[in-house]
Amino acid sequence: DIQMTQSPSTLSASVGDRVTITCRASQSISSWLAWYQQKPGKAPKLLIYKASSLESGVPSRFSGSGSGTEFTLTITSLQPDDFATYYCQQYDTYPWTFGQGTNVDIK
Amino acid sequence: VQLVESGGGVVQPGRSLRLSCAASGFTFSRYGMHWVRQAPGKGLEWVAVIWYDGINKYYADSVKGRFTISRDTSRNTLYLHMNSLRAEDTAQYYCAKDTSSDIAPAGISDCWGQGTLVTVSS
Repeated sequence: DIQMTQSPSTLSASVGDRVTITCRASQSISSWLAWYQQKPGKAPKLLIYKASSLESGVPSRFSGSGSGTEFTLTITSLQPDDFATYYCQQYDTYPWTFGQGTNVDIK
Repeated sequence: VQLVESGGGVVQPGRSLRLSCAASGFTFSRYGMHWVRQAPGKGLEWVAVIWYDGINKYYADSVKGRFTISRDTSRNTLYLHMNSLRAEDTAQYYCAKDTSSDIAPAGISDCWGQGTLVTVSS
């Protein structure tokens, strides 16, 4: 199975900060990488697909980049609504797998 | 688009349970569908996918041979049949719609239900 490793596991930041989360795959997944946001008690929400494509309705402060084995999710100016847990997911090879998550909390 | 899961509850180890997911607001028969779970306080784990045709199915290694995903297009309903349940199957189970209406699912989900909680305990 392809292992997905996110860093950091926890990130403390302030409103207005630029935030970057990294996701590494144990083997190449081309650009078959998605990012989700999850808030406590809620279902995940798709933010980015195919490594860098923004899902409809998602604010442009979210962006994704990378290919192969290394990927990043960037939030250019953190907003109060962005404090949440973020997950990467590979969908190159079955079984599809998620990273362990990155919790973005208030500094 | 709406997905509503049901069927969760407390079940003893080794027993079975069937989850359901009622879909509305889209053409259910055209999309692949997923089950994803989340153990309490833990991350997301993809469980299974069924293609639009109901024939092709894929599973996580942790559930292969014990869980079966199925769909009833006439009822717009997705199912997860869970056998030989273990304590480590305790989780919130989400059904999710794939983004693609192509022959094969894309592997990502743009609509999720609110989940149903399964607790495996004696």
